[in-house]
Amino acid sequence: AQSVTQLDSQVPVFEEAPVELRCNYSSSVSVYLFWYVQYPNQGLQLLLKYLSGSTLVKGINGFEAEFNKSQTSFHLRKPSVHISDTAEYFCDVDTSGTYKYIFGTGTRLKVLA
Amino acid sequence: DAGVTQSPTHLIKTRGQQVTLRCSPKSGHDTVSWYQQALGQGPQFIFQYYEEEERQRGNFPDRFSGHQFPNYSSELNVNALLLGDSALYLCASSLDSYYEQYFGPGTRLTVT
Repeated sequence: AQSVTQLDSQVPVFEEAPVELRCNYSSSVSVYLFWYVQYPNQGLQLLLKYLSGSTLVKGINGFEAEFNKSQTSFHLRKPSVHISDTAEYFCDVDTSGTYKYIFGTGTRLKVLA
Repeated sequence: DAGVTQSPTHLIKTRGQQVTLRCSPKSGHDTVSWYQQALGQGPQFIFQYYEEEERQRGNFPDRFSGHQFPNYSSELNVNALLLGDSALYLCASSLDSYYEQYFGPGTRLTVT
């Protein structure tokens, strides 16, 4: 069965510094990959998605992610974070065509002034 | 354009009772998925409805059931509530084959 690992439960980073949030998944079969952000007491908002094509995906709010098939990873990056990026970030994997979405346990990004 | 809406916002139930949560998808969307998010955890996939049928299901017991109506809105029913059912229940809608999901704000269920 597919599993998703977000190794870092919390990531503190200073404002304007770069950040990388890691996501690894277990299955080597074709997958669709997503990153969502969740602000306190809100639902999830899609940041970016990989379905096919270019392995470097750009999303909203300056975020990007790179799909690495050999390493089964989909790490999220931002070159310069803002205080407003403080939130919970979730990686989501769907083994293509199964309509069964598996989320990681989340990474809490805390941006420090 | 209204996004995904869920009702109620909060709910308190007693162990053993039954609960119904409701979801209206984003305009134009025909697929609805339900998730359970326990405190400090990621969302856990419960099931997905498409064309009024349950198309896929996660690892949840039969106490969790659902329905999708002709207007694509959906209900999640949970019978014989347990304390462990306390969680945020999220509804997400999508347009079939596009995979991109739009989430509602959730219903916070507390079982006492």
